[in-house]
Parts: sequence; C-alpha cells; structure tokens
Amino acid sequence: GENVEQHPSTLSVQEGDSAVIKCTYSDSASNYFPWYKQELGKRPQLIIDIRSNVGEKKDQRIAVTLNKTAKHFSLHITETQPEDSAVYFCAATISGGYQKVTFGIGTKLQVIP
Amino acid sequence: ETGVTQTPRHLVMGMTNKKSLKCEQHLGHNAMYWYKQSAKKPLELMFVYNFKEQTENNSVPSRFSPECPNSSHLFLHLHTLQPEDSALYLCASSVPSGANEQFFGPGTRLTVL
Repeated sequence: GENVEQHPSTLSVQEGDSAVIKCTYSDSASNYFPWYKQELGKRPQLIIDIRSNVGEKKDQRIAVTLNKTAKHFSLHITETQPEDSAVYFCAATISGGYQKVTFGIGTKLQVIP
Repeated sequence: ETGVTQTPRHLVMGMTNKKSLKCEQHLGHNAMYWYKQSAKKPLELMFVYNFKEQTENNSVPSRFSPECPNSSHLFLHLHTLQPEDSALYLCASSVPSGANEQFFGPGTRLTVL
C-alpha cells in the first residue's frame, strides 16, 4: 500500500520567517495531494492541495510543489505568523470512485513571536 | 457547528461495554470516512463508504463495526474494545469522485478503561 513520510516532525521558526515541510510517497497511482492544518483541539482543515498534473500551486502565503518523478511534495509558508502555529498533515490520495487517503505523521509548527 | 457533526464529543467506556459513535453530514456528499487519530501516529483510514456501500476496510479489528444507513449518516459501533483503542475518532465526507477536499467532523475523544 501507499506509504507517506513527512518531516520534520517539529519545526520552530521566528515570526516572519519561512517554513518548509516535506513529504514523500511511494505509490505512483496517487494523484491528489492535500495539506491539512489542525489547530489544537480542532478538526483538520484543508489549506491547499495539488493534483498530479500540476507542479506548483500558490495561495497567498502558502505554496505547494510536487515532483512526480521523485515522488515528493512540499509545503512552503512564507512570512509566518503566530496563527500559523498548528500541526500540518500531508496526504497522498488515490482518487477514483472514492478517495483512498494516506496521511503523513504530521509536523508541529511553532511560530515564535 | 455545520457541515460534519459527530456525537458524542467525548466517551469513556469499559472494555466490556458496547457504544456507538455517530457522524452526520449536511453537505450533500456521498462518500464518508472513519479515521483514527492517535498520538505520534498518522491519521489512519479505517473505513470508507461510497453511496452507502463499504468500499474500504483497512484491516480494522472486528470489534469496530461501521454502519451507513444513508448517505448522510455514518456510525461506528464499538464492543469489547482494548485500552490501545483510546484515540480521537474522526469522521469525514467528500464528493465521491475525483480529487476533492475531505471535510472533517470535530471528532469523538474515546477513552477505554
């Protein structure tokens, strides 16, 4: 089955700096790669996603890159703010009639004011 | 809360008890999912229902029994659980086809004594 590895597991940055989280996947059938943010005590929520036919996507301070050949994808957050502090999960999805999602272990991001 | 709701939010049960978790979505989705979230582990996909039919069972022990009576409701019946089953159980829903966001419920925090 699919295996998703995510690192680092924890990340501390100064406010205003950039944060990068990296993930690798194993199954070339995965075709959809969402990123979820989970604040303490809250549900995971989608922040950005990328499909396998796209190499890069940006939404304001957040960007995601995908390298299908190498089977890795990354989340980039620029100009970090304290409210960015949360756990971030990457996921690799085989989507067809339904979604079979494999999540990474999560990265706890702390933005220090 | 709107979208995906779960009840109860917290549950403490003994190993010999029988209880059920409930998930309800008002988003018009036809795919619903159960996940287990344990500390220091990735979100684990347990079951997938697509148009009320179970399409995925990720080798989950039989002491967990899902039920999907219609596209809006999903249950997880629990019996003779073990302490290691203590975790946050998250329900999610999505449109059934294609690469699309999953919407999560707030979760049920389960403690097995």
